[in-house]
This record gives sequence, C-alpha cells and structure tokens, in this order.
Amino acid sequence: QKEVEQDPGPLSVPEGAIVSLNCTYSNSAFQYFMWYRQYSRKGPELLMYTYSSGNKEDGRFTAQVDKSSKYISLFIRDSQPSDSATYLCAMSETGGFKTIFGAGTRLFVKA
Amino acid sequence: SAVISQKPSRDICQRGTSLTIQCQVDSQVTMMFWYRQQPGQSLTLIATANQGSEATYESGFVIDKFPISRPNLTFSTLTVSNMSPEDSSIYLCSVQGRGEQYFGPGTRLTVT
Repeated sequence: QKEVEQDPGPLSVPEGAIVSLNCTYSNSAFQYFMWYRQYSRKGPELLMYTYSSGNKEDGRFTAQVDKSSKYISLFIRDSQPSDSATYLCAMSETGGFKTIFGAGTRLFVKA
Repeated sequence: SAVISQKPSRDICQRGTSLTIQCQVDSQVTMMFWYRQQPGQSLTLIATANQGSEATYESGFVIDKFPISRPNLTFSTLTVSNMSPEDSSIYLCSVQGRGEQYFGPGTRLTVT
C-alpha cells in the first residue's frame, strides 16, 4: 500500500463547476498537508498548506484535512479554464523533512 | 515562501554526456532537495543536500550518477552523468519551510 493515494484522473468539468480533489494516506504521523498545482512543463506551485486538522480557505480554494479518516480534500469553486492543471497532494511529519507526494490528478476545466 | 531559480530551463543532450543543473534560492536554507519527475509521473526524491556535508541519496540513486554540490546556503548543483534516454525527465530543486516545500521551475532534460 502506498503511503499516499491519489486518483490520477483525468477529471473533466465544465467551467463554473465545483471541483473536489482528494487524497488518502496511511501514516498517522503526517501533520503537514499541502496541495500543489502544476501546469504543463512547469514546476509545482504551492497552493494551500495546512497544519494538522481543519479547513483553510483562500479565495476559490478550500483545503480540508480529516485526520481521523486520513483523508484530505481540495475544493475549487467557480472553476475556470485556467485551473486546468495537475494537482498534487503532499504531506510530511512534524520535524521530518521527507515529503510524500500523491500521484497527481489531472484536471481539465472546459469553457 | 522562497523564490527558487534553476538553470538551464531545458536542454537536449546526447547519451553518454553529462549535464549540470544549477539551483539558486533567494534566502539561506539548511536543506535543499533534488527531485526527478518523469513524464506523467509524480515526484521522486533523488537526494537531500546539506551545506558542508555529503548529500544523502534515496534508494535507487547513487552519487556517481547524480553528484551534488552544496557550496553555500543559497546554491546547489545536480549533475546527471553518463546520460541515457531513461534520464529524460524534469529535474526540480526544492527547499523546505516549516513543513511545506517550495519548488523551482524545473529543468526539462531530453536525452537523445
């Protein structure tokens, strides 16, 4: 079993839809949870960063962490064609420096 | 956050040759990381580079193939040696904040 599981998609939605991206994990020691957006031929860009459980909102993006279920989500409201990218979840332990990445979900938002 | 730059942004190389990738960070950091991302794949950690000490390599990666230098707290290089087509990938430099990581724009390497 992988430490982090993420459906690679692709996920195709119409413009304006609410997008839900998810990851599950097995290591209960993970405390830092991140979502990255990666456009084709570019490096990953840190979108959202959450420590421990709870929700975090930034504009159209909301990150949720449910440590009891070992499940994290990224919601994108009013999705735009410019949101079309690969979204990677990532997580690490407190005091640890090794970050574990999901496989990435390819998202296509159609105009 | 950290601003990371990499050179070159891309290169096409012949098999058997070597390429050195440079990574520059806008602030002093203790650890720098080098990742590889093969086409359609997620990120694979190659090694962790601390200033003033030998890099620590992950399983499957060796110093002879991927020598790393870390001369100061803002700079590192990764060399891909004796390249083969299987080395065609994006190579990414990364630094860590409190728990989150920041990435450079990547170096797209194609080996022919």
